[in-house]
Amino acid sequence: GAGVSQSPSNKVTEKGKDVELRCDPISGHTALYWYRQSLGQGLEFLIYFQGNSAPDKSGLPSDRFSAERTGGSVSTLTIQRTQQEDSAVYLCASSQGSRARTGELFFGEGSRLTVL
Amino acid sequence: KQEVTQIPAALSVPEGENLVLNCSFTDSAIYNLQWFRQDPGKGLTSLLLIQSSQREQTSGRLNASLDKSSGRSTLYIAASQPGDSATYLCAVMNSGYSTLTFGKGTMLLVSP
Repeated sequence: GAGVSQSPSNKVTEKGKDVELRCDPISGHTALYWYRQSLGQGLEFLIYFQGNSAPDKSGLPSDRFSAERTGGSVSTLTIQRTQQEDSAVYLCASSQGSRARTGELFFGEGSRLTVL
Repeated sequence: KQEVTQIPAALSVPEGENLVLNCSFTDSAIYNLQWFRQDPGKGLTSLLLIQSSQREQTSGRLNASLDKSSGRSTLYIAASQPGDSATYLCAVMNSGYSTLTFGKGTMLLVSP
């Protein structure tokens, strides 16, 4: 596609429910990133996929958070047993990967998650 | 651990003024530095990217400089317009090509 696509754009859920957020990166981009932006806070790194390498999961805040990337393209971020502190905007970005040497990231519009 | 700081946190100027946004980072071993713009309720739009070997980049009324040794970057906006009102974010990618570390941003308001 022309840009990074994320869905849903808005999600309201009840505490304790599981949610899945989807990211469709720019075609041909090998690197994919998930960030979280909470109200009044900066962007917090969650996870990074680069090609077929093992993902960098060092930013995941707890074991309730997980992400996968199927076929080197679409990625799904799953939050289990959601808590109110999970309420935030979840942003996905992609880049051409290390081969392109520029490191420029392109972001989607984000998925706004509200946990009641 | 890389830390990125942006000053000021907020800035309000009248239309037509030239302005400077500041970004500092603690670890000078970087791969690149990127400036983004974020409008309310929207994602991030890439403005300028400076590679670690470069000193500055220009795009239209925007100019970004990088002083890697002192851990500083500035974003210069010439002849500001109300449409420039947004939050500006500075982000650093550490050497080895990895993830971006973001500052908390500067919220800019340009009044007509």
